[in-house]
Amino acid sequence: DAKTTQPPSMDCAEGRAANLPCNHSTISGNEYVYWYRQIHSQGPQYIIHGLKNNETNEMASLIITEDRKSSTLILPHATLRDTAVYYCIASRAGGTSYGKLTFGQGTILTVHP
Amino acid sequence: NAGVTQTPKFQVLKTGQSMTLQCAQDMNHEYMSWYRQDPGMGLRLIHYSVGAGITDQGEVPNGYNVSRSTTEDFPLRLLSAAPSQTSVYFCASRPGGNQPQHFGDGTRLSIL
Repeated sequence: DAKTTQPPSMDCAEGRAANLPCNHSTISGNEYVYWYRQIHSQGPQYIIHGLKNNETNEMASLIITEDRKSSTLILPHATLRDTAVYYCIASRAGGTSYGKLTFGQGTILTVHP
Repeated sequence: NAGVTQTPKFQVLKTGQSMTLQCAQDMNHEYMSWYRQDPGMGLRLIHYSVGAGITDQGEVPNGYNVSRSTTEDFPLRLLSAAPSQTSVYFCASRPGGNQPQHFGDGTRLSIL
């Protein structure tokens, strides 16, 4: 898996968009970008993933730069319940090594009232 | 649909005891994994499986055994518990292709 770099912490006002950056400059062509979050000590929760196109689902949007060296997770209207640690992971799907999501330190997002 | 179910949720062991952490999924997923998470740290992969009968080591496999006799179950065995194995353990599963992993709620294990 390619190494990812995220800011250790970010703040966001409730109701505003939260934009969480991730650098993955060594990502290879067959590696996807996955975003998970972990609230308190619960199990990680999948948010969104993509290869090279921007993606949107009911939780968030994922913007991947054209060179794929970085991406941004966007929570369009952050709520207090979005306070969590957010992990950006670059991982290759398929093959015998699959299943190995390398979790770094992530970004602690704090949403303020 | 229960997803990924881990039992027990909490467990306290004495050094040297053995135990099995259970993990079951009802989504017919091929891939299953075990992670541990220590305070203030990210998840580290212990063992994983790409299908029934096939397992492999992750980055921190020492002191743990796994087996995958069915698609649904992926138990993690601690052979002789040590205080260094005090942690929160997460099991995950996913289908094939590029689909994401689904995690259980974790087992909080303390070894005295």
